[in-house]
Amino acid sequence: EAGVTQFPSHSVIEKGQTVTLRCDPISGHDNLYWYRRVMGKEIKFLLHFVKESKQDESGMPNNRFLAERTGGTYSTLKVQPAELEDSGVYFCASRLRDREGEQYFGPGTRLTVT
Amino acid sequence: ELKVEQNPLFLSMQEGKNYTIYCNYSTTSDRLYWYRQDPGKSLESLFVLLSNGAVKQEGRLMASLDTKARLSTLHITAAVHDLSATYFCAVAPPWRGGSEKLVFGKGTKLTVNP
Repeated sequence: EAGVTQFPSHSVIEKGQTVTLRCDPISGHDNLYWYRRVMGKEIKFLLHFVKESKQDESGMPNNRFLAERTGGTYSTLKVQPAELEDSGVYFCASRLRDREGEQYFGPGTRLTVT
Repeated sequence: ELKVEQNPLFLSMQEGKNYTIYCNYSTTSDRLYWYRQDPGKSLESLFVLLSNGAVKQEGRLMASLDTKARLSTLHITAAVHDLSATYFCAVAPPWRGGSEKLVFGKGTKLTVNP
């Protein structure tokens, strides 16, 4: 069974540009999460999808971040326009519908904004 | 607000030695996770601890949970080089029908030297 995959693995962009990160969850997992780790800080929750619906987006830093999960399969996280403080590693995780299940993480996308 | 403190943040130890990583959290939790991350890789789930007094062991790693003290420990026995990685604890807030958004500690970077 394939795990959670993320694309790209690394992205270097200039301040003001747009970047779109993609996450493919484990097949059949209704729950999809985005987290972010800024250098030297904790991994922090951004948002949670159940299928295509946003269940909780309380961790989204501001309106420059837009997450979608059309069709309830893969998800994208767009940052527009990117700022220096957006640099970090963005993780995606997925979980089966049962709340007892654990979250399985992808390898992350390292975003560098210069 | 749930906060998770992990220490030490950096740990350099010799092969064959024992050591313990600590994870304190500030409010009631439903469950606690320990993850391992190798550079550039996914967070790999090591243990899920659900109840007070829970103890789980896998190889040279043993995790325990004391919900009254709000403390979990990850004990390393007779360390080997292959255990070198970053270890995270993550706590799930009590389930209230919403999102199981994990709150992470900052991670412990473990280096095992020959």
